Amino acid sequence: DGGITQSPKYLFRKEGQNVTLSCEQNLNHDAMYWYRQDPGQGLRLIYYSQIVNDFQKGDIAEGYSVSREKKESFPLTVTSAQKNPTAFYLCASKEVSSGANVLTFGAGSRLTVL
Amino acid sequence: AQSVTQLGSHVSVSEGALVLLRCNYSSSVPPYLFWYVQYPNQGLQLLLKYTSAATLVKGINGFEAEFKKSETSFHLTKPSAHMSDAAEYFCAVSDSSNTGKLIFGQGTTLQVKP
Repeated sequence: DGGITQSPKYLFRKEGQNVTLSCEQNLNHDAMYWYRQDPGQGLRLIYYSQIVNDFQKGDIAEGYSVSREKKESFPLTVTSAQKNPTAFYLCASKEVSSGANVLTFGAGSRLTVL
Repeated sequence: AQSVTQLGSHVSVSEGALVLLRCNYSSSVPPYLFWYVQYPNQGLQLLLKYTSAATLVKGINGFEAEFKKSETSFHLTKPSAHMSDAAEYFCAVSDSSNTGKLIFGQGTTLQVKP
């Protein structure tokens, strides 16, 4: 079945360490997105990419980095510069030619900083 | 700038009772509007979407929502709550561009009592 796979599901990190969250999709979607979810704050956009080798900052990009070397992959690195990285991270994708902006989401990765 | 406000972070209903989750939006252009549902430690699943066709939108699991431009609202309803409806619900808005960016409300947790 087509979908989005995020890994790992749970991740623990010590302060000062960089970590990379994986996001892979087999939907042949052009656009991919990373959102951060905190209790009571909804989802906030970190980065998005509409085409391979190109990406744009979202509303809370500071302390994060991404790459888009392949259409199916959009990894997110949480760097040591991110002040409060403990959160639930959600990856999503969309077919660019689809006019309704419907996003398909992965199951998420929960990052805890010890 | 577009924004979404969900009134009530927690809503509790009895099984079989009406479910009403409120969403108000702000948008300078005709909006696309969405309701997503999230079960614990999972990703988001699309319930329904409004894309400027019929103002009453029917979704999955018996949910529906009505777009009211004069009230800038897009409230979610279900005539009879089921225990399996207990989850967190997010309202989201996007503009008519094709970036796929969604702006989410803070979320409403629905509790269903037996």
